[in-house]
Amino acid sequence: DGGITQSPKYLFRKEGQNVTLSCEQNLNHDAMYWYRQDPGQGLRLIYYSQIVNDFQKGDIAEGYSVSREKKESFPLTVTSAQKNPTAFYLCASSIGDRGAYEQYFGPGTRLTVT
Amino acid sequence: AQRVTQPEKLLSVFKGAPVELKCNYSYSGSPELFWYVQYSRQRLQLLLRHISRESIKGFTADLNKGETSFHLKKPFAQEEDSAMYYCALKGAGGTSYGKLTFGQGTILTVHP
Repeated sequence: DGGITQSPKYLFRKEGQNVTLSCEQNLNHDAMYWYRQDPGQGLRLIYYSQIVNDFQKGDIAEGYSVSREKKESFPLTVTSAQKNPTAFYLCASSIGDRGAYEQYFGPGTRLTVT
Repeated sequence: AQRVTQPEKLLSVFKGAPVELKCNYSYSGSPELFWYVQYSRQRLQLLLRHISRESIKGFTADLNKGETSFHLKKPFAQEEDSAMYYCALKGAGGTSYGKLTFGQGTILTVHP
């Protein structure tokens, strides 16, 4: 079954704890992305990676960190420095970052921090 | 900086009526525009892109550079069109290169 997977579907954490969201793809895509989806604000780009061992900050990177040690994996860590971490997080991938390539999205992870 | 604006958070129409979801953008270069759709309990997926000039599920969208708009249209809405629609812009140069910027989204509801 090819595609992009995110786990877990729901995640609950206490305030002050770091938490890592998983994103895996077996599409052999070079580029991967993390978005945050909030009601009324659409999707906002957190981080993106065009190639293994390289990544760039998106529009709202503060309080988040990522790694790209393998082509198929792009985990996102929500740190305690993120002031409003409760949100729906979407991971996506595309063939490459250049050109009008379609982004394929995962099912998302809903993070609740209390 | 690139920006996408979808002025309508909610849009309701009756089945068979025409529908237009508005999208305006701000970008200094030549943008690539997309419409993505998220049906209930499904993943966000690409609906159409302006460079393809295609009609998908009866939807079309024309890039109007003069008005900086990329409105999504369908002449006869169907109940299965009910979904969240996002307009997105892909920059092509400078610091915007490769980034996909999404609008706030429009929830379309088609009533029977």
